[in-house]
Amino acid sequence: GNSVTQMEGPVTLSEEAFLTINCTYTATGYPSLFWYVQYPGEGLQLLLKATKADDKGSNKGFEATYRKETTSFHLEKGSVQVSDSAVYFCALSSNNAGNMLTFGGGTRLMVKP
Amino acid sequence: NAGVTQTPKFQVLKTGQSMTLQCAQDMNHEYMSWYRQDPGMGLRLIHYSVGAGITDQGEVPNGYNVSRSTTEDFPLRLLSAAPSQTSVYFCASRATSGGYGEQFFGPGTRLTVL
Repeated sequence: GNSVTQMEGPVTLSEEAFLTINCTYTATGYPSLFWYVQYPGEGLQLLLKATKADDKGSNKGFEATYRKETTSFHLEKGSVQVSDSAVYFCALSSNNAGNMLTFGGGTRLMVKP
Repeated sequence: NAGVTQTPKFQVLKTGQSMTLQCAQDMNHEYMSWYRQDPGMGLRLIHYSVGAGITDQGEVPNGYNVSRSTTEDFPLRLLSAAPSQTSVYFCASRATSGGYGEQFFGPGTRLTVL
């Protein structure tokens, strides 16, 4: 079946530091890949997505590239801000279960001023 | 648009009690789903629906029932609550049939079963 593995947190960084959150996946076929963000007390919001190999998703300074050869979709940001403190979820959808999402365990990011 | 709304925000139940978590969306989305969020496990799919009158099981369906009588509403019923169902529950909706479409999430219901 499908699965998503992402690095455990928490990840603690100083403001303006470089961020990488690793994500690898196992799936049949050609899944779409997503990063969702959850701010404290809120639901999940789509951060970025990529629908085919070598696609790069980007939003709000965050980027992730769909690497089929390494089955990875690592999230990066060049300079984090305190406001980026949140939990980040890597997810995929594929042709089973109505194209619903399979999530990784989430990575909590804490950015200190 | 209100998007995806969920009620209640918080609920405490005793073991064996039943209740219904409400979910509604005003975006005319065909696809709706319920997930539960547990620490370190991400979100896991409970049940989903691809349209009014059509529902199916996800990864962790035991102990839950759903129905979809209208496009807007997708309630989740706990038949006999157990402590293992203590979790945060999220409802989501999506417009497209393809897996590339964005899912919109509600704010969640935090459920505690004593």
